[in-house]
Amino acid sequence: NAGVTQTPKFRVLKTGQSMTLLCAQDMNHEYMYWYRQDPGMGLRLIHYSVGEGTTAKGEVPDGYNVSRLKKQNFLLGLESAAPSQTSVYFCASSYTGQGRVKWNEQFFGPGTRLTVL
Amino acid sequence: LAKTTQPISMDSYEGQEVNITCSHNNIATNDYITWYQQFPSQGPRFIIQGYKTKVTNEVASLFIPADRKSSTLSLPRVSLSDTAVYYCLVGARSQGGKLIFGQGTELSVKP
Repeated sequence: NAGVTQTPKFRVLKTGQSMTLLCAQDMNHEYMYWYRQDPGMGLRLIHYSVGEGTTAKGEVPDGYNVSRLKKQNFLLGLESAAPSQTSVYFCASSYTGQGRVKWNEQFFGPGTRLTVL
Repeated sequence: LAKTTQPISMDSYEGQEVNITCSHNNIATNDYITWYQQFPSQGPRFIIQGYKTKVTNEVASLFIPADRKSSTLSLPRVSLSDTAVYYCLVGARSQGGKLIFGQGTELSVKP
């Protein structure tokens, strides 16, 4: 199993450009998440999904959109990138927790380092 | 979601036991306590989760007092490879798996 993979690993954008970050998981997880992590800070939840076709806002959703058309994929879009969106973006996935002991265990991808000039 | 407070940083030496305490005064009845570990340039990794008393696995122990307003992650005999940031999180199953990460505790293990 590849686990959680993220594409691309690095990207540099100019202000105003758009892009999509792709997250894929092969563990048949129901829940998927997008976080951002700024230098020296903890992770902040951007958006999350509790199942195919559903999405919800996290702590810092402004400037981002997401889609979960397939269970294994979760896309994060930046419509008009801004320098404040320079960060490392992590995707994660987890089971629903029903009947599981480690129900709060999220599996993280390797991250995408995004720089907006 | 209950807010957590942890020390910003800690230092230790190889072979020592390290205890990191987290305060969560507003923990709710349905909340569980979870700890994650993050190495530089990597995503966080689940370490341990508990509700009350003591939980132990192959990596760490988690101690939770009766009032559940705090918890202590215990790492036995740390090595250089345990240098990382450790996050304490509190949440319930009903919250759709949402996790709120604070700043975490940066543990530095020295030889």
